[in-house]
Amino acid sequence: SQTIHQWPATLVQPVGSPLSLECTVEGTSNPNLYWYRQAAGRGLQLLFYSVGIGQISSEVPQNLSASRPQDRQFILSSKKLLLSDSGFYLCAWTPATDTQYFGPGTRLTVL
Amino acid sequence: AQTVTQSQPEMSVQEAETVTLSCTYDTSESNYYLFWYKQPPSRQMILVIRQEAYKQQNATENRFSVNFQKAAKSFSLKISDSQLGDTAMYFCAFRPNAGKSTFGDGTTLTVKP
Repeated sequence: SQTIHQWPATLVQPVGSPLSLECTVEGTSNPNLYWYRQAAGRGLQLLFYSVGIGQISSEVPQNLSASRPQDRQFILSSKKLLLSDSGFYLCAWTPATDTQYFGPGTRLTVL
Repeated sequence: AQTVTQSQPEMSVQEAETVTLSCTYDTSESNYYLFWYKQPPSRQMILVIRQEAYKQQNATENRFSVNFQKAAKSFSLKISDSQLGDTAMYFCAFRPNAGKSTFGDGTTLTVKP
């Protein structure tokens, strides 16, 4: 069966520091991968998605970036965090069919 | 662009009773999928139910069922025999065939004992 992992689970970072969040999927190959951000009590905002290694599409202009160095690895990064980057970050994947499956999420607090 | 609207920010229901959460969407696509996700306090997103637009029969999963009205672009979720563990935020989502998902803003459901 397929599983999706995210780490870290919780992160507290100062403004201006770098960021690296990692997402990996097991048990499948060539998945579509997604990064979402969720503000407290709100819906999901799509940040990036990837249909293959090195292929990244950005949905929202911001100081975040994403990379997919391996087929089942998706990384969300920032060179300098802003206060507004605080939130709950969710990674998701889709198989060849339609349903998205989500990771456990990373709670990021920027102070 | 597709939009998904959940008009009920918050709802509550007594344990063992039935509740219906509303969702409407707007699209020009003909082939698509609709989903309801549940996000409990742990914030893990859990798939509750999915519906393929080409199927007229409403999807059901145990106590969860949908009322899919394609012409009206409506996709409501009915929870029967509500349980305390159903307390969560519920998101309606739309996905065109091989496209990206669009999520509603969510409905916070509280099941009261």
